[in-house]
Amino acid sequence: QVHLLESGPGLVKSSETLSLTCTVSGASITTYYWTWIRQPPGKGLEWIGYVHHSGNTNYNPSLKNRVTMSVDLSKNQFSLKLNSVTVADTAVYYCARDLMGSRWGQGTLVTVSS
Amino acid sequence: EIVLTQSPGTLSLSPGDRATLSCRASQSVTTRNLAWYQQKPGQAPRLLIYGASTRATGIPDRFSGSGLGTDFTLTISRLEPEDFAVYYCQQYGSSSPFTFGPGTKVDIK
Repeated sequence: QVHLLESGPGLVKSSETLSLTCTVSGASITTYYWTWIRQPPGKGLEWIGYVHHSGNTNYNPSLKNRVTMSVDLSKNQFSLKLNSVTVADTAVYYCARDLMGSRWGQGTLVTVSS
Repeated sequence: EIVLTQSPGTLSLSPGDRATLSCRASQSVTTRNLAWYQQKPGQAPRLLIYGASTRATGIPDRFSGSGLGTDFTLTISRLEPEDFAVYYCQQYGSSSPFTFGPGTKVDIK
């Protein structure tokens, strides 16, 4: 059974870089597209983007070129970096499998402090 | 960018009722790449429907999706107690960014 687990700092200072990793078990990272989605507290879902092991990426333009996603084949992981964060980037960050989220991680809350 | 609008914002129903949730897109969602998710408090969303009408693995057949173009519907034929949650639609795969609707909350009347 596929399992996804997000990991990374729960607290990031404003203007710094948010870095998260999603560890995939039960499926090869080479088989699917992999997606990041976030949800500010009490609000709806926002699509951040996706990455493919081939290097193909697609990011939400609303994040103004602050996003980078990558894949680590050796660890069966994919990652998210979001630069120049502000308090508006405080959210639960989810990783998911497929362009539509067929499987999701449990999510990790990242708080940006001012 | 395709904007998705969901209605109603809140649906108050009783167990056993039929729920009909609407998702309308600002432009046509090509290849019917429309998904529906269920989210309960403190949990990650769960995929219910993809391709507008295909149930995801393990999803009960009381959940059904329909529609094409700009108008899509999620129907829950008979609400079970565990179905009271927030439901989101998302368009994916054809028009980036892959946007979500604002959600419909189905609560107990």
